[in-house]
Amino acid sequence: DAGVIQSPRHEVTEMGQEVTLRCKPISGHNSLFWYRQTMMRGLELLIYFNNNVPIDDSGMPEDRFSAKMPNASFSTLKIQPSEPRDSAVYFCASSFIAGAYTGELFFGEGSRLTVL
Amino acid sequence: QKEVEQNSGPLSVPEGAIASLNCTYSDRGSQSFFWYRQYSGKSPELIMFIYSNGDKEDGRFTAQLNKASQYVSLLIRDSQPSDSATYLCAVKPARGGGNKLTFGTGTQLKVEL
Repeated sequence: DAGVIQSPRHEVTEMGQEVTLRCKPISGHNSLFWYRQTMMRGLELLIYFNNNVPIDDSGMPEDRFSAKMPNASFSTLKIQPSEPRDSAVYFCASSFIAGAYTGELFFGEGSRLTVL
Repeated sequence: QKEVEQNSGPLSVPEGAIASLNCTYSDRGSQSFFWYRQYSGKSPELIMFIYSNGDKEDGRFTAQLNKASQYVSLLIRDSQPSDSATYLCAVKPARGGGNKLTFGTGTQLKVEL
């Protein structure tokens, strides 16, 4: 089975540009998570969806960040306008969660974003 | 106080030794605890999870949980160079906190020949 697929793997852009990161979760999984990883702050949860509905977006830094999940097989994370401090590796992860059962998170390979 | 704290390391151990990785958490009501391994430039992958106080063993890995002390650890026996990676501790919040995991910043482990 294919794992979580993210694109692009690398993105270099200039400050002020719009950035869109894409994620295809594992088929059958009902939860999707967007994390950001930096050396200083580690892995931080930005937002997560359950059955395509955003459940917790308290980790989204500010209004420049937005995320959508139009269907069970696709999600986007958009940054507009981008700033140098947004430079990080952005991971998408998916899981199957039912009731009290919390399945493991399966991570994609990440999208490394550099904002100049 | 950070929600999940780990010593960043690096922790260096000789091949064949026991590596001990530690993690403390602030939310006393936390339910579940996870250890992920992340090789340089790669994504995290789950090694073990533990829900109950005590020890849980899986091959060369043992997770230990002490909820009273809010402490979770990972022991790696017979450490191999291939174990060299960053180990991330993750905590699921108390009931009602959703299904999100909060990660520590990780401990870098180096297993030396």
